[in-house]
Amino acid sequence: DGGITQSPKYLFRKEGQNVTLSCEQNLNHDAMYWYRQDPGQGLRLIYYSQIVNDFQKGDIAEGYSVSREKKESFPLTVTSAQKNPTAFYLCASSIGLVTGELFFGEGSRLTVL
Amino acid sequence: GDSVTQMEGPVTLSEEAFLTINCTYTATGYPSLFWYVQYPGEGLQLLLKATKADDKGSNKGFEATYRKETTSFHLEKGSVQVSDSAVYFCALSDNQAGTALIFGKGTTLSVSS
Repeated sequence: DGGITQSPKYLFRKEGQNVTLSCEQNLNHDAMYWYRQDPGQGLRLIYYSQIVNDFQKGDIAEGYSVSREKKESFPLTVTSAQKNPTAFYLCASSIGLVTGELFFGEGSRLTVL
Repeated sequence: GDSVTQMEGPVTLSEEAFLTINCTYTATGYPSLFWYVQYPGEGLQLLLKATKADDKGSNKGFEATYRKETTSFHLEKGSVQVSDSAVYFCALSDNQAGTALIFGKGTTLSVSS
């Protein structure tokens, strides 16, 4: 079945450590996205990528980094510079950037201890 | 810039009650409008969409009509079920190349039997 796979589902991190969240899709979609979800704040866009080897900052990119070396993969690194990293992270993809219809993974919950 | 405003929750209803979740938007062009649903512990799923004024999107008993004159896209269901308990997000795509989907903050619906 086609879809988006995020891993790990739960992750604990000590302060000062970088962590990488995995996102893989087999939908052959060109565009991929990372959103952060906090209670009462909805979804906020971190980074997005329209094509391989290209990505753009979203509204809250500070303290995060991404890469897009393969069409299927769009990993997110939460760096130690992110001041409040505890959140639920959602990866999504779409056929193209303008189509609007996103397909989401099940999310990764990061907790900083 | 473009934005989406949803009614604040939580919305608490009894089974078989009528549901309305308000959504209004601000956009300079002719956006497409979406409702996404997030069940507990999961990612988001597209519930319905409308791409032009007066279009009605519908799915699983939910409906929403794209009203350009009132810049609204309110979600309705005639008879809710306990299984409809979830967070509902209104979203907008301005159909411009190089921009990602814009989400509202989400409305939590809780249905009791």
